[in-house]
Amino acid sequence: GQQLNQSPQSMFIQEGEDVSMNCTSSSIFNTWLWYKQDPGEGPVLLIALYKAGELTSNGRLTAQFGITRKDSFLNISASIPSDVGIYFCAGRTSTHGSGNTGKLIFGQGTTLQVKP
Amino acid sequence: GAVVSQHPSWVICKSGTSVKIECRSLDFQATTMFWYRQFPKQSLMLMATSNEGSKATYEQGVEKDKFLINHASLTLSTLTVTSAHPEDSSFYICSARGSGYIYNEQFFGPGTRLTVL
Repeated sequence: GQQLNQSPQSMFIQEGEDVSMNCTSSSIFNTWLWYKQDPGEGPVLLIALYKAGELTSNGRLTAQFGITRKDSFLNISASIPSDVGIYFCAGRTSTHGSGNTGKLIFGQGTTLQVKP
Repeated sequence: GAVVSQHPSWVICKSGTSVKIECRSLDFQATTMFWYRQFPKQSLMLMATSNEGSKATYEQGVEKDKFLINHASLTLSTLTVTSAHPEDSSFYICSARGSGYIYNEQFFGPGTRLTVL
């Protein structure tokens, strides 16, 4: 079945540093999503990407939809302590606005820890 | 916008009892709702997908008679864990998806921590 390989599995960085994480797949996806999950909470949607090559920002977060449609990355600039959490990528084969009938496939998550 | 709530946020029950978890979309109509479970330090595992007024579609390996899902309205879905056992202890998270460009995406609830003694 379809799988997403997310890396790195965990990161421990100093406050103020930039962070980069990515997801790759052997399958093509038409939608890439990035979520953040705080301990004991549900995932919160950070960025949604719907076109190959698309680069989208949300504050200090920037994500790109790979041109091959088989990968995506998320960058966090100037990290702060509240960036701590687990970041999940998710992909879907259906296109946005088509009813989004496809299931989301989730990566294994990247655990981010920020040292003040 | 796109707020999804779950109730209860945590529940402890005895083995053999049934537990109902509610999922509500507060500010949009959810044409589709999803139920996930998550074990510690693991990713989300999809259990089932339900469309309003229709029977839920269960993922392979998920017992439909054990995990009863009802999606009776466009804002409410329930998951009932029947005859719960300790191995059912987990974090259960629902997700709702609406229509229109903004809400046509999956938005997650805060999760329900189930502990079966």
